[in-house]
Amino acid sequence: DAGVIQSPRHEVTEMGQEVTLRCKPISGHDYLFWYRQTMMRGLELLIYFNNNVPIDDSGMPEDRFSAKMPNASFSTLKIQPSEPRDSAVYFCASSASMRSEAFFGQGTRLTVV
Amino acid sequence: EDKVVQSPLSLVVHEGDTVTLNCSYEVTNFRSLLWYKQEKKAPTFLFMLTSSGIEKKSGRLSSILDKKELSSILNITATQTGDSAIYLCAVEVGSGGGADGLTFGKGTHLIIQP
Repeated sequence: DAGVIQSPRHEVTEMGQEVTLRCKPISGHDYLFWYRQTMMRGLELLIYFNNNVPIDDSGMPEDRFSAKMPNASFSTLKIQPSEPRDSAVYFCASSASMRSEAFFGQGTRLTVV
Repeated sequence: EDKVVQSPLSLVVHEGDTVTLNCSYEVTNFRSLLWYKQEKKAPTFLFMLTSSGIEKKSGRLSSILDKKELSSILNITATQTGDSAIYLCAVEVGSGGGADGLTFGKGTHLIIQP
């Protein structure tokens, strides 16, 4: 398996634009997590899914953020409209269960100017 | 609000030294504590600790959990330049029968000088 795959790797966008980050989890993993990493706040859990259903989205900062998982092999994190303070590295991770190791994707570095 | 605090934030040592990284937490419904190593790319898993006082070991790395002190340490002996990375501590919390996710500390940035 190729591991967790995220795209794009880097994105630079103007303030106000819509941003969509994509994630393909490891096949067979029932849990998918979206994290945001910044220097100031470290690694924060935004939302996670179990069997494609959002379980906890309390980490999503604002209504501008939304996440979907239409099927077991694909998830998106959308920011609309984007703001400069959204600039961060966004990681997607998947795991077979909540008690097993989470495997991280390579991350998407988002810069909003 | 659940909190995970790591110390120090940054550490520079010489190759061959032994280092101890600290992680303390204040959470409700603790389930487990995890250590990750992050180099240039994504975090990679090191250890999961659930029981107090039982050391987990992998090569030159070891870790132990103290539930009474609400803390954990990660030890690295005979450090090598390849150990240079950010070491992340995360606590898994949960209520009822399920887990609610991970709360991460800000990490310790470890630099090993040759």
